Amino acid sequence: KAGVTQTPRYLIKTRGQQVTLSCSPISGHRSVSWYQQTPGQGLQFLFEYFSETQRNKGNFPGRFSGRQFSNSRSEMNVSTLELGDSALYLCASSARLAGQDNEQFFGPGTRLTVL
Amino acid sequence: AQSVTQLGSHVSVSEGALVLLRCNYSSSVPPYLFWYVQYPNQGLQLLLKYTTGATLVKGINGFEAEFKKSETSFHLTKPSAHMSDAAEYFCAVSERSSASKIIFGSGTRLSIRP
Repeated sequence: KAGVTQTPRYLIKTRGQQVTLSCSPISGHRSVSWYQQTPGQGLQFLFEYFSETQRNKGNFPGRFSGRQFSNSRSEMNVSTLELGDSALYLCASSARLAGQDNEQFFGPGTRLTVL
Repeated sequence: AQSVTQLGSHVSVSEGALVLLRCNYSSSVPPYLFWYVQYPNQGLQLLLKYTTGATLVKGINGFEAEFKKSETSFHLTKPSAHMSDAAEYFCAVSERSSASKIIFGSGTRLSIRP
């Protein structure tokens, strides 16, 4: 079974631009969560999508948004990029089945550098 | 609100020595607890997790952790360190009702001396 894939793996943008990151979950998984990892703030939860709906949200500004498609693939968008958005963005998928502990499986991440 | 505190941002042990990485959590409800490992330029890999039942949890690569509710701790141990254990380790917590939202600790970088 293929793992979680994220594209692109590396990205360089300039301030003010916008960026879209993609995450394909493990086949059969319907939940996708996004995390931001920076040296200063560590790993922080951005949001979770399940069945094309945002189910949980972290404490990030509205510049950070996402969506999920009917095939469970998810995209994350960051508008008006700031230097502080430079980070490793990780996505994780889980089956999210009722009554189970639903382990999350992480992708390799997308390294975003904002210049 | 949930939180995780990892004591020690950097731990260094000799090869063959005991590994002990400390983690304390705060949660108003019974939590799920996790330890993840991250190698350079890679994503996170689950080492072990506690959801319910036996409080001593065994994971991959010889690691184990014990859930101690009275101490709100979930320390990670390995009897004998190997060079390949050098990595960043994250303790994490989530609510049972919202298991997809994981709150991570700040991480502990483990170095192994030859």
